[in-house]
Amino acid sequence: GESVGLHLPTLSVQEGDNSIINCAYSNSASDYFIWYKQESGKGPQFIIDIRSNMDKRQGQRVTVLLNKTVKHLSLQIAATQPGDSAVYFCAERSGNQFYFGTGTSLTVIP
Amino acid sequence: DAGVTQSPTHLIKTRGQHVTLRCSPISGHKSVSWYQQVLGQGPQFIFQYYEKEERGRGNFPDRFSARQFPNYSSELNVNALLLGDSALYLCASSPWTVPNEQYFGPGTRLTVT
Repeated sequence: GESVGLHLPTLSVQEGDNSIINCAYSNSASDYFIWYKQESGKGPQFIIDIRSNMDKRQGQRVTVLLNKTVKHLSLQIAATQPGDSAVYFCAERSGNQFYFGTGTSLTVIP
Repeated sequence: DAGVTQSPTHLIKTRGQHVTLRCSPISGHKSVSWYQQVLGQGPQFIFQYYEKEERGRGNFPDRFSARQFPNYSSELNVNALLLGDSALYLCASSPWTVPNEQYFGPGTRLTVT
């Protein structure tokens, strides 16, 4: 089966600082890598994705970096806000199947 | 515009029983996927349906089945429930052209006793 794991289960950052959430994956054949955010009591919410042939993609306040050499994915959140507090999942898509990691809980300290 | 809706919100069943969970996708979305999320873990992919056909299947036993209707709504059925089936069942819809942008519903919390 697929293996998508996260380096740190919890992360606390000061409001206004930048956050970096890391993820390791094992399937080199995945087509896309995707980040989702899940707030308490809600379903996951799509944040950003990156195709496997790209190294970097930027969105609004977020940047995803893909290092295929070491099979590592990261999500950078600029100027972290209290509303960013949630569990963040990396996921990889292979064909029509999605594989989610365990998740990192991000807490923003006001 | 309404998001993905799921019913029921919560459900309690006994081991050995059968359960049916329902999902209505966002209007215009033809792809529906089902996930199982055990507390403290990431969602585990169960099925993907598009145009009423199964397009993807995760590593779940045959006790799990699903179908998609002409209006693109979907049902997830689980037979012979086990205690380990207790979880949050999530439904997600997406436009077929942008499959990564899945929109998740709030989920159905299933408790098997």
